[in-house]
Amino acid sequence: QSALTQPASVSGSPGQSITISCTGTSSDVGVYNYVSWYQHHPGKAPKLMIYDVSKRPSGVSNRFSGSKSGNTASLTISGLQAEDEADYYCSSYTSSSTWVFGGGTKLTVL
Amino acid sequence: QVQLQESGPGLVKPSQTLSLTCTVSGGSISSGGYYWSWIRQPAGKGLEWIGRIYTTGGTNYNPSLKSRVTISVDTSKNQFSLKLSSVTAADTAVYYCAREGTSFDPWGQGTLVTVSS
Repeated sequence: QSALTQPASVSGSPGQSITISCTGTSSDVGVYNYVSWYQHHPGKAPKLMIYDVSKRPSGVSNRFSGSKSGNTASLTISGLQAEDEADYYCSSYTSSSTWVFGGGTKLTVL
Repeated sequence: QVQLQESGPGLVKPSQTLSLTCTVSGGSISSGGYYWSWIRQPAGKGLEWIGRIYTTGGTNYNPSLKSRVTISVDTSKNQFSLKLSSVTAADTAVYYCAREGTSFDPWGQGTLVTVSS
């Protein structure tokens, strides 16, 4: 199985909005709504930010939102804050009863 | 709430078997209908799903690792374990355990395993 495709890096200024894309295939992102997004600060455990494409766990800021169209899922962060600077990973369930992650996107808050 | 903690040797010799255990606290590993997964991150690289186990013992593995991976569960100890055989330097990574529903949450803190002689 191939990793989902994410941009290696994105950047934005405080207060701006950014979107990270996550492209898969008709065997994963395109067929399942089990797409999730994780925020990862180095040295810490990844944190679930979005699950089931667009649902936010309790305690996650409503500045984070998710969506999906066809084989591509997206994570949007609005009102960027310095604390949002981290690596972000998408993940999807697959038709082989496995999971696949994206390669990760480094978000820089300028 | 449920917490997970990985444990095991931090250094493994090439060609040997890497063995890690994940201890679940704050809830029973048998309740809730969850799978329990292992995920790793080599230095400077992205996350890679290794495999998962259900409390009845059913497993699924990443096809790229399937020939070397065994995941088991001990419900009496509220633990699940990972064995990865014939390791090489490419298996050096931070290894995480996580509870799997339709996403991974929560995660353990991770443990660094280095493969070196």
